[in-house]
Amino acid sequence: AAGVIQSPRHLIKEKRETATLKCYPIPRHDTVYWYQQGPGQDPQFLISFYEKMQSDKGSIPDRFSAQQFSDYHSELNMSSLELGDSALYFCASTQDRENANTGELFFGEGSRLTVL
Amino acid sequence: LAKTTQPISMDSYEGQEVNITCSHNNIATNDYITWYQQFPSQGPRFIIQGYKTKVTNEVASLFIPADRKSSTLSLPRVSLSDTAVYYCLGYGSGNTGKLIFGQGTTLQVKP
Repeated sequence: AAGVIQSPRHLIKEKRETATLKCYPIPRHDTVYWYQQGPGQDPQFLISFYEKMQSDKGSIPDRFSAQQFSDYHSELNMSSLELGDSALYFCASTQDRENANTGELFFGEGSRLTVL
Repeated sequence: LAKTTQPISMDSYEGQEVNITCSHNNIATNDYITWYQQFPSQGPRFIIQGYKTKVTNEVASLFIPADRKSSTLSLPRVSLSDTAVYYCLGYGSGNTGKLIFGQGTTLQVKP
């Protein structure tokens, strides 16, 4: 079965640079969530989109922005990178109508960002 | 969303049954309890979800007493591959679907 695809899987950047992470949800999933997980930390919710509109916002820094496109894929843009941005970034998707009953989000394998 | 509390870590041996209890004293009437499993450097994976009493699937069982202030995830006959972090989360349909992860339980299965 198709899963959530994230790219790139690994990314190394310098401080103050910019990075873009991409997420391709499971086909027919209309909702995308972004999470950040620092070393030894629990996943932290950043932002979510439903039908290409932002649906919820968590602890996402102002330096970060995201959007969901017409094909439902999503991109997380991170600017002025800081050392503390080094983390695993997970994208998850779900079909909103099903999620309302099951609470089941499907997570990708993550993108590991290292800021030097 | 319900605030949940679970043990930081647990040890077990292969073949044993493991029970991880989660406290959620302020769970809302409409909230479900959902459990996720996460292996190192992988995304969390849904295990099971329930509202009340007992739910069982091919992976685990979930016991939720009548007062719903706690829940217990039961993993039958664990193997080394069950070593992971387990998260208990409160989930309600009115929260835009996001999951808020608290501190999970690191289960270490030993041979």
